[in-house]
Amino acid sequence: GAGVSQSPRYKVAKRGQDVALRCDPISGHVSLFWYQQALGQGPEFLTYFQNEAQLDKSGLPSDRFFAERPEGSVSTLKIQRTQQEDSAVYLCASSSDSLKEAFFGQGTRLTVV
Amino acid sequence: GESVGLHLPTLSVQEGDNSIINCAYSNSASDYFIWYKQESGKGPQFIIDIRSNMDKRQGQRVTVLLNKTVKHLSLQIAATQPGDSAVYFCAEEHNKLIFGAGTRLAVHP
Repeated sequence: GAGVSQSPRYKVAKRGQDVALRCDPISGHVSLFWYQQALGQGPEFLTYFQNEAQLDKSGLPSDRFFAERPEGSVSTLKIQRTQQEDSAVYLCASSSDSLKEAFFGQGTRLTVV
Repeated sequence: GESVGLHLPTLSVQEGDNSIINCAYSNSASDYFIWYKQESGKGPQFIIDIRSNMDKRQGQRVTVLLNKTVKHLSLQIAATQPGDSAVYFCAEEHNKLIFGAGTRLAVHP
């Protein structure tokens, strides 16, 4: 596709439920990033992939958060046993080079009730 | 869509005026900086970038200034238009993008 695609666009989860958020990066982009954006704040780094290798996961807030990119293209961010503080917009970005501009998707708005 | 930047500082300008948005970054070792524009319900959109070996870079209607001495970035928008209304974030690249606090730009006709 022309840009980074994320699905679902909106997700409402009951507290304790597991969720999976999908990111389709721009074709051929090597680098893929996940960010969490709370309302009224800037995006906060979660994790980074270069192809299928997860090179940095220092931003994942707890072991309930898990990300994968098994074939170096589509990535999934999984959150287990969701809690209310997980409510945020989850943004995915991809770039052809980690030092070049990253293109962001529209995000998935997760609301935990 | 959801609102971005409900509690962020706001810069209000008249249409046609020039806007200056400022940002302080944290890591003196960062060597690449980007300004992003984020409209409500959308992801951040690249505006302009600058490397640490430069102090100024111009794009179409936008200029980024970098002052490494005080770790300060600014984004200048010439002849601001209503379509420029959004939240603006600076980001520094240090193995990953680290976003600064955003500024909401409100353009009034």
